[in-house]
Amino acid sequence: AQTVTQSQPEMSVQEAETVTLSCTYDTSESDYYLFWYKQPPSRQMILVIRQEAYKQQNATENRFSVNFQKAAKSFSLKISDSQLGDAAMYFCTLYNNNDMRFGAGTRLTVKP
Amino acid sequence: DAGITQSPRHKVTETGTPVTLRCHQTENHRYMYWYRQDPGHGLRLIHYSYGVKDTDKGEVSDGYSVSRSKTEDFLLTLESATSSQTSVYFCAISDPGLAGASYEQYFGPGTRLTVT
Repeated sequence: AQTVTQSQPEMSVQEAETVTLSCTYDTSESDYYLFWYKQPPSRQMILVIRQEAYKQQNATENRFSVNFQKAAKSFSLKISDSQLGDAAMYFCTLYNNNDMRFGAGTRLTVKP
Repeated sequence: DAGITQSPRHKVTETGTPVTLRCHQTENHRYMYWYRQDPGHGLRLIHYSYGVKDTDKGEVSDGYSVSRSKTEDFLLTLESATSSQTSVYFCAISDPGLAGASYEQYFGPGTRLTVT
């Protein structure tokens, strides 16, 4: 079975600073996809960034970027220039063959 | 935002009663999913559908059934609700066959179900 582990239940960052959220995963597959989703207090699940395992280049989306280390099965999310609106639960997610596994989440607090 | 709605948004029911949650999409996506979200577990897949009348089980399918008679609708049924099924339920859609898609899923707003 595929598993996703987020070892940081809570993180905090000062507004305008940079923060990195950690994620490790386990799968026996070589072809899979990784995502970070954000869930603000509204409860809506919002896609932040995606990474195809066959691509070596790390994905970036504006202030969000990932550090994908396939051999180490690590997929961390870096948020630059943090904003108050970034405060949310962040879920690391692994997808393969209709099996989507979520980590338990990291709650990010942004301090003004 | 993807056109996904869930109904009802909130429901309180008694143990032993049947409950049906509805997910409706306007995106014509092929795949639809039902998840439950509980504290400390992230989201867990209950059932999914890969086409009309084509469904399969997910990680936590016991006590749940699904049906999909139309592309746009995916129903989740709790035949006899139990307190352990108190949760927030999310529907999601995806269509990896679309150009530029890479299996990401888009989620509905969620339904909070309380079984007393």
